[in-house]
Amino acid sequence: ETGVTQSPTHLIKTRGQQVTLRCSSQSGHNTVSWYQQALGQGPQFIFQYYREEENGRGNFPPRFSGLQFPNYSSELNVNALELDDSALYLCASSLVGQDANYGYTFGSGTRLTVV
Amino acid sequence: AQSVTQLDSQVPVFEEAPVELRCNYSSSVSVYLFWYVQYPNQGLQLLLKYLSGSTLVKGINGFEAEFNKSQTSFHLRKPSVHISDTAEYFCAVRKTSYDKVIFGPGTSLSVIP
Repeated sequence: ETGVTQSPTHLIKTRGQQVTLRCSSQSGHNTVSWYQQALGQGPQFIFQYYREEENGRGNFPPRFSGLQFPNYSSELNVNALELDDSALYLCASSLVGQDANYGYTFGSGTRLTVV
Repeated sequence: AQSVTQLDSQVPVFEEAPVELRCNYSSSVSVYLFWYVQYPNQGLQLLLKYLSGSTLVKGINGFEAEFNKSQTSFHLRKPSVHISDTAEYFCAVRKTSYDKVIFGPGTSLSVIP
């Protein structure tokens, strides 16, 4: 089975710019969740997508937005980048529903640096 | 709302010694519990999970954890650590399979040769 793949692995952007991060879910998974992990901290929940709709959101401003596509891949978009947006962005997929597996499968993340 | 506390931010331990990483959670409802490991510059990998049943859960790489409902704890243990166990360990909770996973702040395990 394929795992979760994220692209790009590293990215440097200037304050005020916009960025799009991409994620391909593990085969058979129907839910994608995005997390922000600042250096030395635990992952913080941004939002979750199930059946192409957002079904949960953490304490992040509207300039953080996302999409889930019919093949369950996903994008995270961040507008008007701020220095504090510098972090590792993690995508995680899981299976919910009758055959739920309850645990996440994570990608290796995208390291975003805002200068 | 659920929350997770990991009491030790850093745990140094000598190679082949036992280790326990502590985790406490708070929740007004039953939750599912997880331990994840993160190696440098990588994503998180699931070590083990407690969904129901036996309170002692065995995971990968020789790790195990015990769920204690009365103490709202889910401590991670390994009887003999290796250098390769050096990593960041995160305890996490989830209310249902549809809900988000909430992570603790992490414990950095350093194995000393």
